[in-house]
Amino acid sequence: DIQMTQSPSSVSASVGDRVTITCRASQGISSWLAWYQQKPGKAPKLLIYGASSLQSGVPSRFSGSGSGTDFTLTISSLQPEDFATYYCQQTNSFPYTFGQGTKLQIK
Amino acid sequence: QVQLVQSGAEVKKPGASVKVSCKASGYTFTTYDIYWVRQATGQGLEWMGWMNPNSGNTGSAQKFQGRVTITRNTSISTAYMELSSLGSDDTAVYYCARGGQYSSLWAWGQGTLVTVSS
Repeated sequence: DIQMTQSPSSVSASVGDRVTITCRASQGISSWLAWYQQKPGKAPKLLIYGASSLQSGVPSRFSGSGSGTDFTLTISSLQPEDFATYYCQQTNSFPYTFGQGTKLQIK
Repeated sequence: QVQLVQSGAEVKKPGASVKVSCKASGYTFTTYDIYWVRQATGQGLEWMGWMNPNSGNTGSAQKFQGRVTITRNTSISTAYMELSSLGSDDTAVYYCARGGQYSSLWAWGQGTLVTVSS
């Protein structure tokens, strides 16, 4: 199975800050990577697919980059509604494993 | 709009089985794969398996092989996930999701809490 490692596991930031979350795959996955946002008690929401394509309706402050084994999710200017947990997922080969999550907290 | 509506919460005893349903609407059910993901309380997301609703082909993570059965009824646009030989560590919220571009999980059901307790 492909292991997905996110860092950091948690991060504290303020409204307006720029935040970057990284995700590393244990083997190359080309651009087969998705990012999700999850708020407490809610189902995850797709933000980014294909490593860098923004899902319809997702604010442009979210962006994704990377290819191969190293990927990043960047939020350019944090808004109050962005405080949540973020997960990466590889969709290159079964099982489609997730990273362990990054909790974004208010500083 | 695309919607996935799951069945309600379940309480099961150890050793029992549970079957969760996922009814799709707003799109052609047989066009997109369906995935199952679970999340124990306070934990991360765990991919369980998938199904192609058109062919009925399925696959699951090795951890669940032999215990999970994914099926569908195309006439009512509904997918099912049955997990057998339940243990306390199967207590979790179970989600279905529809596949999208790059096999991303494009839309999600609301989740079904399965509690395993004696």
